[in-house]
Amino acid sequence: LAKTTQPISMDSYEGQEVNITCSHNNIATNDYITWYQQFPSQGPRFIIQGYKTKVTNEVASLFIPADRKSSTLSLPRVSLSDTAVYYCLVGDIMNYGGSQGNLIFGKGTKLSVKP
Amino acid sequence: EAGVAQSPRYKIIEKRQSVAFWCNPISGHATLYWYQQILGQGPKLLIQFQNNGVVDDSQLPKDRFSAERLKGVDSTLKIQPAKLEDSAVYLCASSLDRVSDTQYFGPGTRLTVL
Repeated sequence: LAKTTQPISMDSYEGQEVNITCSHNNIATNDYITWYQQFPSQGPRFIIQGYKTKVTNEVASLFIPADRKSSTLSLPRVSLSDTAVYYCLVGDIMNYGGSQGNLIFGKGTKLSVKP
Repeated sequence: EAGVAQSPRYKIIEKRQSVAFWCNPISGHATLYWYQQILGQGPKLLIQFQNNGVVDDSQLPKDRFSAERLKGVDSTLKIQPAKLEDSAVYLCASSLDRVSDTQYFGPGTRLTVL
């Protein structure tokens, strides 16, 4: 299973762009990258998923370099409500789960947005 | 579309007592997950069901934890007997089919074992 490494915490100010990088040096050919967001007292919520290059949706962008050994979640113009924990996960796109295929949540990155 | 429902939201018990949690996944979702999240850590997968069959229970402490998914829909997670270290939030999630499909999480049940 590809292991991920993220910064434990990050601070930012309202209106800034925030980039959270995740390292996954052992990513396999069939692995995809997914980011979840978790607010206090809530379950995680899907943000974005990608395999290579760049993916953009209404809330974030995901940048994946050619070697796929890392990925960067980009949050444009953050607000106070973006204060949360962000998890990077790597998993096999063809897998139905099981002990070798399930997504593993690390400790995540705690993002604090200040006014 | 209704989300994943869980009950109860909070539960306080004494050690060695039993407790059960209930989860109703999103309609049509074949895959159901139970996670344990200890304060300050990421969610840890306890068990995964595909319809009503178990796909992965490798991290489920089977001496005290049990789970079932009746008719491939609702699921219950039971702890018997509870230990102090079981204090955590228990999250239920569901997805359409494969692990690559988006997982939708419920609000969780916060368990405190005294």
